Amino acid sequence: GAVVSQHPSRVICKSGTSVKIECRSLDFQATTMFWYRQFPKKSLMLMATSNEGSKATYEQGVEKDKFLINHASLTLSTLTVTSAHPEDSSFYICSGWGGETQYFGPGTRLLVL
Amino acid sequence: AQSVTQPDIHITVSEGASLELRCNYSYGATPYLFWYVQSPGQGLQLLLKYFSGDTLVQGIKGFEAEFKRSQSSFNLRKPSVHWSDAAEYFCAVGQSLGGGADGLTFGKGTHLIIQP
Repeated sequence: GAVVSQHPSRVICKSGTSVKIECRSLDFQATTMFWYRQFPKKSLMLMATSNEGSKATYEQGVEKDKFLINHASLTLSTLTVTSAHPEDSSFYICSGWGGETQYFGPGTRLLVL
Repeated sequence: AQSVTQPDIHITVSEGASLELRCNYSYGATPYLFWYVQSPGQGLQLLLKYFSGDTLVQGIKGFEAEFKRSQSSFNLRKPSVHWSDAAEYFCAVGQSLGGGADGLTFGKGTHLIIQP
């Protein structure tokens, strides 16, 4: 199956700083990418949908100014958590639409101190 | 709004025994249904999906699932589990095949524990 990578796999940052997470489709072109957030013992929650070359569409309750998404190419989408706070600590997972199904990355663990 | 319920937070099964993981969905139109497995350090892997046709769907790793519209269910089954099946299992519903441009709605997951 198609492969999606995420970088970094885990990151620790200080409160108030910004963190960028990269999501790459390695062997296919993803016109649409999705960002999910997973809390402990909880399901994945869709945060936003990004289409290459256009602005991301955010789900209700997700602050677009805090979670900046850029989908500049067919193989790369980035999520920037701006002015991170401890409540932003979570597991962030991206996926790429490969034409028949979504292919998920391994996730990025963010810890904000 | 669509929703997915996985009633069992965790299930313990002996190796070699059969398995059934429950999933109920709420969706106004014909749903596209998925089962994913998540292992530590791994991305979610698609086990199987249903969008139309035969209500019994075969997937990878010996898994199958049956769509029952009358019960709004899409339960996952395996006749004989292996220790390597221990993982977190998620049921999901989408508005289009593969999620398309709409994203997926996930259940809270069922943690499968395999006893030797």
